[in-house]
Amino acid sequence: GAVVSQHPSRVICKSGTSVKIECRSLDFQATTMFWYRQFPKKSLMLMATSNEGSKATYEQGVEKDKFLINHASLTLSTLTVTSAHPEDSSFYICSARRGGGPSWEQYFGPGTRLTVT
Amino acid sequence: GQQLNQSPQSMFIQEGEDVSMNCTSSSIFNTWLWYKQDPGEGPVLLIALYKAGELTSNGRLTAQFGITRKDSFLNISASIPSDVGIYFCAGRYTGNQFYFGTGTSLTVIP
Repeated sequence: GAVVSQHPSRVICKSGTSVKIECRSLDFQATTMFWYRQFPKKSLMLMATSNEGSKATYEQGVEKDKFLINHASLTLSTLTVTSAHPEDSSFYICSARRGGGPSWEQYFGPGTRLTVT
Repeated sequence: GQQLNQSPQSMFIQEGEDVSMNCTSSSIFNTWLWYKQDPGEGPVLLIALYKAGELTSNGRLTAQFGITRKDSFLNISASIPSDVGIYFCAGRYTGNQFYFGTGTSLTVIP
């Protein structure tokens, strides 16, 4: 159990367009989901924490109007990169924390490779 | 956000050798986790530690939560080719947020 999926796995978009990435917990209810960004051969940088039904909490330096996060249900969170630019190209990974599970337990999705041309 | 320093940055070892890597932080953490990430995939949890001084094993992997609560160590014994990947530590103080280390890239030579 505890499977997290992301869609799409890869996306290429043109500069100035918006892209939506979905993160789903397939077999559990996720009260909290996290969005990370990872540059090649670099660490995962936490972008924001989203709790179902409330506004996301963004890390310092992350533009909330640029990276829109919606956690509309206990199994789905979406990250929308608005007006994407080449510097937004990156590997975006979500993770989900199971409701009632240990505070440290989070399950990661397989990631989404975004390329902005 | 915070970032943790891992060392070494990369390792090239012969199959069968033992591996040691560590993670340090300027901040105190209450929980340490170790993950392995394969290329193009999300990280997979290896070991969780939540008490200072704790030593926990998972098969050939052993991890320790440093007494100062500012560091953690991961050892892999008798490495095999499938151990190849990037290993990340992650720390948490309170709340839900975890902060990840800079990663250690492991290459095992058959």
